Amino acid sequence: QKEVEQDPGPLSVPEGAIVSLNCTYSNSAFQYFMWYRQYSRKGPELLMYTYSSGNKEDGRFTAQVDKSSKYISLFIRDSQPSDSATYLCAMTEGGSEKLVFGKGTKLTVNP
Amino acid sequence: DTAVSQTPKYLVTQMGNDKSIKCEQNLGHDTMYWYKQDSKKFLKIMFSYNNKELIINETVPNRFSPKSPDKAHLNLHINSLELGDSAVYFCASSQYALTDTQYFGPGTRLTVL
Repeated sequence: QKEVEQDPGPLSVPEGAIVSLNCTYSNSAFQYFMWYRQYSRKGPELLMYTYSSGNKEDGRFTAQVDKSSKYISLFIRDSQPSDSATYLCAMTEGGSEKLVFGKGTKLTVNP
Repeated sequence: DTAVSQTPKYLVTQMGNDKSIKCEQNLGHDTMYWYKQDSKKFLKIMFSYNNKELIINETVPNRFSPKSPDKAHLNLHINSLELGDSAVYFCASSQYALTDTQYFGPGTRLTVL
């Protein structure tokens, strides 16, 4: 089993929809969880960063971490065409220097 | 005032050649990284340097050699290029460690013919 599993999609939604992106992981030592957004032919950029369990909200974006289920989610409300990108989850143990990425989910928001 | 820059942006070369990719960050960060993103978009860390010292060296062929002349630069040299080396290589930096926000460069698309 891979350390981090993420459905690659592609996921296509109409503008204004609520988008749910998810990752599961197997390493219970992971404590820091991140979501990166990567536009086509660009480098990833950090979107959300959460430590341990719980929710974090930033504008239209909400990140959730459920450590008991080893499951993290990113919700995008009122999705816009500019949200069309690949979303990568990433996580690390904290003491370790290694950041493990999911394969990314390609999202298209249609106007 | 680009934060993390890489050169070249595109690199097309023949098998067996040696090539280098340069990375510079002007953020004053202590830690820099090299990642490889393959054709399936899977992003994987290759190396990490903290203050010019190697701290992560993942299972990467020894044809790949990172060099950090100072903490603002982390270059990647690749010897005897192979077809499987074709990928996008991203440089990134963070203040101290992976738990800090990482800032990625625009990537270098390497194609080995």
